[in-house]
Amino acid sequence: DAGVTQSPTHLIKTRGQQVTLRCSPKSGHDTVSWYQQALGQGPQFIFQYYEEEERQRGNFPDRFSGHQFPNYSSELNVNALLLGDSALYLCASSLVAGSHEQYFGPGTRLTVT
Amino acid sequence: GQQLNQSPQSMFIQEGEDVSMNCTSSSIFNTWLWYKQDPGEGPVLLIALYKAGELTSNGRLTAQFGITRKDSFLNISASIPSDVGIYFCAGANSGNTPLVFGKGTRLSVIA
Repeated sequence: DAGVTQSPTHLIKTRGQQVTLRCSPKSGHDTVSWYQQALGQGPQFIFQYYEEEERQRGNFPDRFSGHQFPNYSSELNVNALLLGDSALYLCASSLVAGSHEQYFGPGTRLTVT
Repeated sequence: GQQLNQSPQSMFIQEGEDVSMNCTSSSIFNTWLWYKQDPGEGPVLLIALYKAGELTSNGRLTAQFGITRKDSFLNISASIPSDVGIYFCAGANSGNTPLVFGKGTRLSVIA
């Protein structure tokens, strides 16, 4: 049973560039949430996708956007990258939208220079 | 916004010792979860709690949902080297609300 997978593992970008991160949920899960984890901090909620729509959003600017595909996989896009966007980006999936038992992928380490 | 405070921030223990850590909030939660994160990995769900006063075990781990709904506790018995990592608490309210995480407790085990 495949768990949550994310790609790429690591990424280095320059300020002002745009980045797309990808996530495939755990088998049988239809809800995907994205989190940003800065060094030494806990994960912070960015947004959640269910039925291909953004259902919940945390306190992140519009530069952060996402998409969910019919096969439940998801993308996180960040435009106009800032140095402060450097972090581990985690994707988590859950069985249903209201379930708080979320299962995390290994993350994508983004470095903005 | 809601914030979770975890203590201690870090701890060093001898292998075989028991460990206790806690998580407190300024507001109530209806769900508490505990995760463990190893270096270079995503958090792994350890225990989920859904009812005030609930005590739930997962092997050597035991977690409790505080009566006030503003705190939760995690205990690890007879620690082993693979217990090393960062332990996060997370709280959530009813419905489709996001998880709020603490900053973590870093556990080091000395063999």
